[in-house]
Amino acid sequence: GAGVSQSPSNKVTEKGKDVELRCDPISGHTALYWYRQRLGQGLEFLIYFQGNSAPDKSGLPSDRFSAERTGESVSTLTIQRTQQEDSAVYLCASSLYNTEAFFGQGTRLTVV
Amino acid sequence: QKEVEQDPGPLSVPEGAIVSLNCTYSNSAFQYFMWYRQYSRKGPELLMYTYSSGNKEDGRFTAQVDKSSKYISLFIRDSQPSDSATYLCAMKTGGFKTIFGAGTRLFVKA
Repeated sequence: GAGVSQSPSNKVTEKGKDVELRCDPISGHTALYWYRQRLGQGLEFLIYFQGNSAPDKSGLPSDRFSAERTGESVSTLTIQRTQQEDSAVYLCASSLYNTEAFFGQGTRLTVV
Repeated sequence: QKEVEQDPGPLSVPEGAIVSLNCTYSNSAFQYFMWYRQYSRKGPELLMYTYSSGNKEDGRFTAQVDKSSKYISLFIRDSQPSDSATYLCAMKTGGFKTIFGAGTRLFVKA
């Protein structure tokens, strides 16, 4: 596609429920990144994929968070048993090797 | 110590002022340097992308990299209210992983 696409754009969920966030990177981009941005805060690195593997998942906050990528394309970020502190905007970005990252518009997650 | 340090601001300037935004970093292996602009409730968009030391100009924006001091800057000339946003610096060694600063909130008053 023309840009990085994320869905849903907004998600409201009840505490304790599981959620799945989806990212469609720019076609041909081998690297894909997930970041979290709390209200008024900077970007918090979660995980990045090189192809289908995840060389660095050091930013995942707990074992409730997981991510996968299939076919060097779509990625899903799953949050299990959501907590209120998980409320944030989840941003996805993609890039080629040695080039800049392009961001999607984010998924705004609200846990009530 | 964080790999990339950026003052979160907020920074408030009058319209027409020259704005200077800065980041420092600790990893001397960083080679690629970027500045992103993020409007409220939007994803970050790339403004400037530079490799190694030196200056790069694009319209009212100038990116400056000083690798010896591990210091990068973004200058905005003739600032406009529409420049009000959060500005994030970012850098990478090569390869894939990009490290972001926390972002500086800028307000340009009409």
